[in-house]
Amino acid sequence: GAGVSQTPSNKVTEKGKYVELRCDPISGHTALYWYRQSLGQGPEFLIYFQGTGAADDSGLPNDRFFAVRPEGSVSTLKIQRTERGDSAVYLCASRDRNTGELFFGEGSRLTVL
Amino acid sequence: AQTVTQSQPEMSVQEAETVTLSCTYDTSESDYYLFWYKQPPSRQMILVIRQEAYKQQNATENRFSVNFQKAAKSFSLKISDSQLGDAAMYFCAYRSRSGGTSYGKLTFGQGTILTVHP
Repeated sequence: GAGVSQTPSNKVTEKGKYVELRCDPISGHTALYWYRQSLGQGPEFLIYFQGTGAADDSGLPNDRFFAVRPEGSVSTLKIQRTERGDSAVYLCASRDRNTGELFFGEGSRLTVL
Repeated sequence: AQTVTQSQPEMSVQEAETVTLSCTYDTSESDYYLFWYKQPPSRQMILVIRQEAYKQQNATENRFSVNFQKAAKSFSLKISDSQLGDAAMYFCAYRSRSGGTSYGKLTFGQGTILTVHP
């Protein structure tokens, strides 16, 4: 597609439920990043994929968070046993290998009730 | 670890006037990139301007320019001839130039909400 696509745009769930957030990067971009943006704050790094592998997952807050990118394109961020503190906008970005510029999607807003 | 600080939670400007948004950062690295991103209500982060630390010349993109003071670790954004469409949240961001497992990772400031009055 023309840009980074994230689905769903908005997700409301109950505490304790499992959620999946999907990111479809720009075609040909091998590097993909997930960020979390809490209300009124700047995005915080979660995880970085180079191809299919997670090159840096140091930003994942705990073992309830997991991300995959099995074919080196679409990535899924998975959150188990959601907590109210997980409520945030989850942003995905992919990187142009020539310019190094990151292109962001419009994010998935997660609300945990 | 690098940190980025934006000390102005909110700023406002009259249409057609000039406004400057402040950013300071802390790093022990000598080579890096600095960015300003704009985030409108659509939530998509849009790159406004980029500065490479090894370049002494301040970057300029149309109405947007920066004042990069490497020794002071300061990186401010000046918006000239402000337009209603400039209203958004603005984030300053840092990225290391070195490779490795964290290549391309951005560290963001807390953001500044810019309001443009007609």
